[in-house]
Amino acid sequence: DTEVTQTPKHLVMGMTNKKSLKCEQHMGHRAMYWYKQKAKKPPELMFVYSYEKLSINESVPSRFSPECPNSSLLNLHLHALQPEDSALYLCASSQEEQNYGYTFGSGTRLTVV
Amino acid sequence: KQEVTQIPAALSVPEGENLVLNCSFTDSAIYNLQWFRQDPGKGLTSLLLIQSSQREQTSGRLNASLDKSSGRSTLYIAASQPGDSATYLCAVSFLSGGYNKLIFGAGTRLAVHP
Repeated sequence: DTEVTQTPKHLVMGMTNKKSLKCEQHMGHRAMYWYKQKAKKPPELMFVYSYEKLSINESVPSRFSPECPNSSLLNLHLHALQPEDSALYLCASSQEEQNYGYTFGSGTRLTVV
Repeated sequence: KQEVTQIPAALSVPEGENLVLNCSFTDSAIYNLQWFRQDPGKGLTSLLLIQSSQREQTSGRLNASLDKSSGRSTLYIAASQPGDSATYLCAVSFLSGGYNKLIFGAGTRLAVHP
């Protein structure tokens, strides 16, 4: 298995809702990442997990809450989002060793209404 | 602070042309450089990965070069096809705060018309 799987593919939520995005990989990668991508912009790093521990939080608002239950799973819990949080949310994974590239999922298209 | 720049921002060419997409980065202390393709509204597909010790990588009609000392990479697409139409993103991997980070350029939007 050489893929990163993200669910759901599309999500519409109200500003008072609580929802979660899910990411899964079975490549044995020990680093996992959340990126946010607005239309016609490059992906921006949000969080990095290394060996199931949060290692980087790029000053992301607390309404985004990441979780890494095990080495294969990464969740992003969403609560009280704003319309400007609407974006494509991408998950990625990589080996810890520096000489390997990143593998990205197909993303979750989030719309906040 | 590491910054990645891609030129041109957009490119429209007739089918069959050979293309060069450019990427530059400000800090040469990188682990590797990766070129991605992104179709509208979709995720990222990795095209080529160049380690910091390498000069180039090839896959089919794609060839990517890396000059780490000057902070530059190019992606060469031979005999372009309409199916090559997409956004091409350059990204560099480097050490920041003790952890590996991947930072993207803004991308080159490519349109190949028949």
